[in-house]
Amino acid sequence: KAGVTQTPRYLIKTRGQQVTLSCSPISGHRSVSWYQQTPGQGLQFLFEYFSETQRNKGNFPGRFSGRQFSNSRSEMNVSTLELGDSALYLCASRSGTLDGELFFGEGSRLTVL
Amino acid sequence: GNSVTQMEGPVTLSEEAFLTINCTYTATGYPSLFWYVQYPGEGLQLLLKATKADDKGSNKGFEATYRKETTSFHLEKGSVQVSDSAVYFCALSRNNAGNNRKLIWGLGTSLAVNP
Repeated sequence: KAGVTQTPRYLIKTRGQQVTLSCSPISGHRSVSWYQQTPGQGLQFLFEYFSETQRNKGNFPGRFSGRQFSNSRSEMNVSTLELGDSALYLCASRSGTLDGELFFGEGSRLTVL
Repeated sequence: GNSVTQMEGPVTLSEEAFLTINCTYTATGYPSLFWYVQYPGEGLQLLLKATKADDKGSNKGFEATYRKETTSFHLEKGSVQVSDSAVYFCALSRNNAGNNRKLIWGLGTSLAVNP
């Protein structure tokens, strides 16, 4: 079956703009998590959604938000972009929220100029 | 609190060398432990896992044993190949409020294998 699909794969924005990233999970998976990956900070958890409800949240400012739709697709939004938001944003899906294996997409690489 | 500490990279080895990437953790209770691998230009994928003490996870020639007495989950491979060049992440899974589990990640260790 198809894997986790993230769009867009690459994008360039300027400071102050906002961005929306999309993630389509594996069919049948109801949990979607988002991570920010940077060389200096590694993999940092943003949030997890399950059945349209946010179940877990990391330590990111309110400029970072997300949502999940009834078909389990998820979007994350970053408003008022800062240079430090430049990163690879990874989405992962799993069937439930209890130790199910995470399946990752290839990521959306955001560059903020 | 709960945390995962991995050895810093990059690690550079010659083909067929023995690999160890150290991972230690701090957690209450009995977390599950994981190794994920990220090949260049790709997302992460599960390499192996162990869910209780003394369990050994193995896959693609890699092994890791859940050692509760030393709170470790070191990744080993007897003979690495160039194709093993990637970033390796150690992670633990613990119960969160609402009985769902949150993964806590190490910073990743980059491995480069030279022919």
